[in-house]
Amino acid sequence: KNEVEQSPQNLTAQEGEFITINCSYSVGISALHWLQQHPGGGIVSLFMLSSGKKKHGRLIATINIQEKHSSLHITASHPRDSAVYICAANFGNEKLTFGTGTRLTIIP
Amino acid sequence: DVKVTQSSRYLVKRTGEKVFLECVQDMDHENMFWYRQDPGLGLRLIYFSYDVKMKEKGDIPEGYSVSREKKERFSLILESASTNQTSMYLCASSSLSLAGWETQYFGPGTRLLVL
Repeated sequence: KNEVEQSPQNLTAQEGEFITINCSYSVGISALHWLQQHPGGGIVSLFMLSSGKKKHGRLIATINIQEKHSSLHITASHPRDSAVYICAANFGNEKLTFGTGTRLTIIP
Repeated sequence: DVKVTQSSRYLVKRTGEKVFLECVQDMDHENMFWYRQDPGLGLRLIYFSYDVKMKEKGDIPEGYSVSREKKERFSLILESASTNQTSMYLCASSSLSLAGWETQYFGPGTRLLVL
């Protein structure tokens, strides 16, 4: 069965801390996505990757195909990073299977 | 910039009513998706369309139907709304690629309450 699991469910940290959110999946995937959802509902795609590492500003996404695991890192976290971060995977087609999300709160 | 719009941000309907949720994208994307999002369950795919008049059932199609008469517009229909369809509904679109997967662009969501 195609499954995506995220941890932790909730994460609270102080401003400036290095943040790591983890995602694991059950079987081989075609691509893995990291998404961000702010209060109010809108979802924005942060990264799509199938191997290695991608970086955009303070955000870094990595994937280890052998271990079926991906991480999203945020360096020098800021209160505006507070959001729900969602991991999702393509299992060989256009459809996405989603994790249940990680609620991140950054305290000033 | 890709823009995906949804007809309403908030909607309140009564049990048994027929409900239409509309989604429009302006980037000529082939693929369009309807999801619902519930606390603790994440996003779940209701229906997917890969071309005009073409559709595929997702993970939870029961109680829903869809219509795609024009490439830019994808409608979700609740034939007879029930209280267990109270949820956040999100539309997304993506372009077709040889690889078979692309970044999905999401609309702002419609929060539906069925009384």
